[in-house]
Amino acid sequence: DTEVTQTPKHLVMGMTNKKSLKCEQHMGHRAMYWYKQKAKKPPELMFVYSYEKLSINESVPSRFSPECPNSSLLNLHLHALQPEDSALYLCASSQEGRNSYNEQFFGPGTRLTVL
Amino acid sequence: AQKVTQAQTEISVVEKEDVTLDCVYETRDTTYYLFWYKQPPSGELVFLIRRNSFDEQNEISGRYSWNFQKSTSSFNFTITASQVVDSAVYFCALVIQGAQKLVFGQGTRLTINP
Repeated sequence: DTEVTQTPKHLVMGMTNKKSLKCEQHMGHRAMYWYKQKAKKPPELMFVYSYEKLSINESVPSRFSPECPNSSLLNLHLHALQPEDSALYLCASSQEGRNSYNEQFFGPGTRLTVL
Repeated sequence: AQKVTQAQTEISVVEKEDVTLDCVYETRDTTYYLFWYKQPPSGELVFLIRRNSFDEQNEISGRYSWNFQKSTSSFNFTITASQVVDSAVYFCALVIQGAQKLVFGQGTRLTINP
C-alpha cells in the first residue's frame, strides 16, 4: 500500500470554528509532514514529525496545532483561522534514513476555505 | 542556503512534441538530493524521480528522461512525445543531507494541447 490518505477533501469553515484535518499512511514511514499550498505557489512546509515527535515547526501560527497520535496518523487541528489561511493542505510521509534522504509521498490534500 | 529555480513559469506545446523543463539549483553542500514532482489539477503531488549528488547518470523512464549535470547545477526533465495527460504543474526540489525540509522551485505549468 503506497498511499497517503487525507480527509476531508474539502472543508469550509468560519473564523470561529474548530476543525481537524486528518492524514493516514500505512507504508511504515516514520516521518510525516504538513504543507500549505496557495494557488500558483509551491508547497510550504509547516510541520515535520519524526518518530511521532515534532521535529520542525516552521514558525506556524498557534491557530494551527499538529498532533501525531501514532506512527500512521497525523492530524492538524484548526482554530480561529483567518480567510488568508484558505489553501490546499497537503500531508506527506517518508522513510527515515540515517545516511540517505527518502522521497516524500504526498496525499491528495484538503482544500480549505475560511469564510 | 539552498535555492531552486525553475525559470519557465508556463509552457504550452502541441501533443506529440518533445518538451524540456529546466531546473537550476544552488547549494554549498556536497551531499544533496534532487527530486521532480508532478501536480495534476487534482492537487496531489506525484513523485517522479530522486537523484543524489553522487549519481550523475541520466535516467530514462518511458517517455520521461532526466539530465543531471553538476557542472551547471542543473537537473532538467524532458518529456518525449508529450500527451494531454502530461498537463500538470511540475516541481523540482532539493534537500541537503541531514535536513528534512524540501526546497521547491516555483513550478512550471505545462499544458499539452491536442
